[in-house]
Amino acid sequence: AQSVTQLGSHVSVSEGALVLLRCNYSSSVPPYLFWYVQYPNQGLQLLLKYTTGATLVKGINGFEAEFKKSETSFHLTKPSAHMSDAAEYFCAVSGQGAQKLVFGQGTRLTINP
Amino acid sequence: GAVVSQHPSWVICKSGTSVKIECRSLDFQATTMFWYRQFPKQSLMLMATSNEGSKATYEQGVEKDKFLINHASLTLSTLTVTSAHPEDSSFYICSVRSSYNSPLHFGNGTRLTVT
Repeated sequence: AQSVTQLGSHVSVSEGALVLLRCNYSSSVPPYLFWYVQYPNQGLQLLLKYTTGATLVKGINGFEAEFKKSETSFHLTKPSAHMSDAAEYFCAVSGQGAQKLVFGQGTRLTINP
Repeated sequence: GAVVSQHPSWVICKSGTSVKIECRSLDFQATTMFWYRQFPKQSLMLMATSNEGSKATYEQGVEKDKFLINHASLTLSTLTVTSAHPEDSSFYICSVRSSYNSPLHFGNGTRLTVT
């Protein structure tokens, strides 16, 4: 069984500040981990993914995440927030083969000017 | 460009009627498509896995007779909400995968409102 916990349903940062969105997972098999972004009334767009190999993965729009097995975490970061980053972010986990995804509860990111 | 096309983007229907939502894979053949449901300010919940040429696999608690899924071709899956009720009002999103191990591509979703 797999599950995802996103710490903080709402995160607010100032423009130019560091963005940190937290994700912890539980998986009985080696996990595949994903971060998706959702803008209002739209589907989800893949930001980045971890399957195997390098634990620090870089994605689109300047985001990156680090897989830490010992901490069962996959936190998402961006050094400098931009107004366009305001959206809902979902962390997700699956087993090998990117089969069924299990999503976290989502974190709404607000950027203050 | 878009990889997945979902139609309609929004629909309003009366209680008791049926609504069909289409999900098309534009860039590749998709043997498997997934249907998710998202309530306001909540996460996505997998409803069913749609397999081309065979019956869909439904998640626990999802009524297969109410949410009919048809995956008749490698590029099209449809979700029909039958005898819709106001509690079926939600945001429905489909996703496709081009191959084993590839990430999911999502459609833009369909907002269903049942009055």
